Amino acid sequence: KQEVTQIPAALSVPEGENLVLNCSFTDSAIYNLQWFRQDPGKGLTSLLLIQSSQREQTSGRLNASLDKSSGRSTLYIAASQPGDSATYLCAVGAFTGGIKAAGNKLTFGGGTRVLVKP
Amino acid sequence: DAGITQSPRHKVTETGTPVTLRCHQTENHRYMYWYRQDPGHGLRLIHYSYGVKDTDKGEVSDGYSVSRSKTEDFLLTLESATSSQTSVYFCAIRPAGGADTQYFGPGTRLTVL
Repeated sequence: KQEVTQIPAALSVPEGENLVLNCSFTDSAIYNLQWFRQDPGKGLTSLLLIQSSQREQTSGRLNASLDKSSGRSTLYIAASQPGDSATYLCAVGAFTGGIKAAGNKLTFGGGTRVLVKP
Repeated sequence: DAGITQSPRHKVTETGTPVTLRCHQTENHRYMYWYRQDPGHGLRLIHYSYGVKDTDKGEVSDGYSVSRSKTEDFLLTLESATSSQTSVYFCAIRPAGGADTQYFGPGTRLTVL
């Protein structure tokens, strides 16, 4: 059974500092990995998706890396801003295949709550 | 927001009562999912649907049932609510083909007293 862990559970940094968020998973046979952002009382917003054949994905100030062999992914947020304050969740996808396929069953980590102080 | 709405957004109910949560999408996506989010557990998949009247169980399906009679609606029912089902429930969709990204609704906060 896939287990996904995010440490630390909470992180506080001053504005302008780079953020490094970690995600580890126990089963390296993954289909893909996604990073989501969740604001308080809101749903999840997808930030980046890395397919299992890829090593990294970038979008603006965000960069996510994937190392399947070690069961790790890292989300980097450059030059953090107060608006980056949120909870960041990592989710590992397992391809189920076939007509009943969920297409991509996600197993989530518990998230890292980030506070960027002005 | 991928045109996903959830209703109600908040509900308080008593143990033993039936509860139905609704997820509605406007873009005819094939795949729909129900998750629950609890402190210390992240999000966990309850049930999912891969088409009209086609559903399957997820990781934590005990005590829940689902129905999908129309493409746009996916209903989650708690036949007899228990306090352990107090949670925030999220619906998600995944467009068939293309990227595997799932798009989430705003959530329903359910409290079972």
